[in-house]
Amino acid sequence: DQQVKQNSPSLSVQEGRISILNCDYTNSMFDYFLWYKKYPAEGPTFLISISSIKDKNEDGRFTVFLNKSAKHLSLHIVPSQPGDSAVYFCAASGYGGSQGNLIFGKGTKLSVKP
Amino acid sequence: DTEVTQTPKHLVMGMTNKKSLKCEQHMGHRAMYWYKQKAKKPPELMFVYSYEKLSINESVPSRFSPECPNSSLLNLHLHALQPEDSALYLCASSQELRGPGEKLFFGSGTQLSVL
Repeated sequence: DQQVKQNSPSLSVQEGRISILNCDYTNSMFDYFLWYKKYPAEGPTFLISISSIKDKNEDGRFTVFLNKSAKHLSLHIVPSQPGDSAVYFCAASGYGGSQGNLIFGKGTKLSVKP
Repeated sequence: DTEVTQTPKHLVMGMTNKKSLKCEQHMGHRAMYWYKQKAKKPPELMFVYSYEKLSINESVPSRFSPECPNSSLLNLHLHALQPEDSALYLCASSQELRGPGEKLFFGSGTQLSVL
């Protein structure tokens, strides 16, 4: 049973518009969430994270929102650029321990069209 | 240097072969990880080393054997693999095996095909 779900396998957005990528989780023990971005033939690279004590974290064009009651987070990219085209993975960690084990979602492939 | 380097990038092996995947980082990170990723699936944790000691083994079959010779190197020895083991194998590192939010740095992976 998947603990981190990204229900949209793909998303297509026009350049300059907002991209919204969604992620749902089932385990209430998760207390830290991260987004990774992956280009073809490369490993995932860290993008942005949020602790469960916050509901928003912003870094330049990227903002992550967390709704703990709904067990939902989203990544907003504004404005979207063609270079943002990649697969975006949502990941969660926690369990209150020190394992550092990230649980990944299946990813959403974002295509930003010029 | 913020890179995690994996070799080889591609590997084709038969079910009776023995091969090794290599991973190297020079960021002074003390935690290193092996993940396996099948097509259209998320990366799945296999092993974690912390200070060169095996810390986590996610019930991986014994045909996969990890080794951490020193703080910069991580190997994955492969023997008698099955075709279903074909996947992208990702190495990652982090500063420490700390709690939540530990940021991982990933290599670009080894695409393994088992015939």
